[in-house]
Order: sequence, then C-alpha cells, then structure tokens
Amino acid sequence: AQKVTQAQTEISVVEKEDVTLDCVYETRDTTYYLFWYKQPPSGELVFLIRRNSFDEQNEISGRYSWNFQKSTSSFNFTITASQVVDSAVYFCALRAQGTYKYIFGTGTRLKVLA
Amino acid sequence: EPEVTQTPSHQVTQMGQEVILRCVPISNHLYFYWYRQILGQKVEFLVSFYNNEISEKSEIFDDQFSVERPDGSNFTLKIRSTKLEDSAMYFCASSEPGQGDGYTFGSGTRLTVV
Repeated sequence: AQKVTQAQTEISVVEKEDVTLDCVYETRDTTYYLFWYKQPPSGELVFLIRRNSFDEQNEISGRYSWNFQKSTSSFNFTITASQVVDSAVYFCALRAQGTYKYIFGTGTRLKVLA
Repeated sequence: EPEVTQTPSHQVTQMGQEVILRCVPISNHLYFYWYRQILGQKVEFLVSFYNNEISEKSEIFDDQFSVERPDGSNFTLKIRSTKLEDSAMYFCASSEPGQGDGYTFGSGTRLTVV
C-alpha cells in the first residue's frame, strides 16, 4: 500500500523564521516520484518540485529547499526566511511507477505572521 | 506559461441534478485527470484518461461519474444525480507522457450541492 503522511496539521511562524514541513511516505515500489504542491488561499494547486526515487540530491530553489532521504522515507521541505506570502497549505504527494495516480498527504497549513 | 483552464469556477446545483464540469488541458499534453478535495481535506484521485479511454480510476469514481473528451480541446467530468456529499473542489490536471512529470492543475471548480 502507498501512503503519504504529513503529521504537522498546522504550523505558525513569525516572518523571517525558517520552517520545515515534514513528509513521510510508504511504498513498496523501487521507482517512484515525490512532489510538493502549494495551495494558497485562492485554492489552486501550484507545483513546486518533483523528485525521482533514484535521485537523492537535495535541491535548493531560492528560499525553498528539499531534503530527500530514502533511508527514512522522508521528503522534507524547508522555507528559509519565511514571508507572509508563504502562508498556504502545502501538500506532499507520491506517484509510483506504472501509475499516473498521485497519493496526496493531508497537507500542512502554514501561517506566517507579520 | 501554459495553463489548464476550468469552468465554471463555482457551481451550485440542487441534489439529484446532473452537472458537467469543464476543463481545457494544456494543448500538447496527452494525459488528463480529475481529482477532488472535500473542504479542508486531502486531495483525492478520481480518474485518469489517455487515448480516449479511462486508464485508471479510484473507488470514488463509481457509475455516478463519467468523463469525456468530446473534441480536441475539452475534457469533461459529468456527475449524474448529485448528492450532498459530492460538494467539493474538483481539480482537472494534465501531463505530458513522461511518468515522472508533474501535473499542471487547473484552478478548480467549487461544486456546492444543496
């Protein structure tokens, strides 16, 4: 069975703080893909990153960084120097090879306070 | 940047009525999807569609639902005899043929069944 767990339901930080959103996944497949999406208050789903299971390199994009660790089945997302505009619900998702279906986590609501 | 367009953005319908949610995927994409998100909950897979047929569907996607690509640009989700519990945000998405590619989601249609 495949599963994505985002244990943090809601996180509040003060602007300029760093924050890490946790994602733990379960799959028996050796090839799979992991994603993060942002859902701002307007409701759309915005693609942030895709990571293949065979590529464990961490990635940095501006204030965003992702830490993929197969040994712990985690794909965590860090926002450095958070801003109010980062306030949103963030979803982690898993897609196994051979299927086009995403399994989403329950999301983490991030509130960045001015 | 190419977009997935969904119409309408919000639809209210009476219980028992049929609704059709419309989507225009990105023009060179070949795979199309519908997901739904009940308010405050996680995003759930409904169906994937490729080469004019359903390639995968979830348990949620029962006989009440159907999808169609009536022409070269539109992709529709029909819900027959709507129920109160069908109230949700419905997201359309499309992707290119590579399995690892991320979807592009539309901005969603909020369906309210009264």
